[in-house]
Amino acid sequence: EPEVTQTPSHQVTQMGQEVILRCVPISNHLYFYWYRQILGQKVEFLVSFYNNEISEKSEIFDDQFSVERPDGSNFTLKIRSTKLEDSAMYFCASSQHDLSNQPQHFGDGTRLSIL
Amino acid sequence: DQQVKQNSPSLSVQEGRISILNCDYTNSMFDYFLWYKKYPAEGPTFLISISSIKDKNEDGRFTVFLNKSAKHLSLHIVPSQPGDSAVYFCAASIQGAQKLVFGQGTRLTINP
Repeated sequence: EPEVTQTPSHQVTQMGQEVILRCVPISNHLYFYWYRQILGQKVEFLVSFYNNEISEKSEIFDDQFSVERPDGSNFTLKIRSTKLEDSAMYFCASSQHDLSNQPQHFGDGTRLSIL
Repeated sequence: DQQVKQNSPSLSVQEGRISILNCDYTNSMFDYFLWYKKYPAEGPTFLISISSIKDKNEDGRFTVFLNKSAKHLSLHIVPSQPGDSAVYFCAASIQGAQKLVFGQGTRLTINP
């Protein structure tokens, strides 16, 4: 069964550094998403991306964050100048489309640790 | 953000019996609901979903029930198997909006 893949599985970064989290969505999917889960808290939506632009974003997704689809397969989340509170599991997801209630399929996540 | 709530942090069920996981929501605009299962060190895995035009959806051992008037949904697993031990998340969305709103999760343990 096709799956969403994320790399790296664990990223350790010094506070203030930039980090890029990578995702390869399922190949025939058109919508891409990033979520995060801070330890002990709920999974939270960050951003959705369709047709090479952001289609929806949460209040969490401020100017520190950006997303990009640099080629036909990768989908990246960049965090500029990381803070301690950015430490979390970051999940990428994809879906075929959103208008007919298609489920989002998630990768296994990247654990981001900010020191 | 308490729009989706799973009030039971954990549930323990005997193998072979029925597991019932519950979820409540407050936003009446939600019209699509999903259940995900999550093992440690893995991402959420989609299990089953239901649209607000239905009140029941079944897939093998998994059945989701939706009570719109009570803003409540439940996931029934029968018979429960040891491999069902995981954290179960309920999620909801509004058609036309992409984001899923998740509950806190319920840790299900199936005892042999």
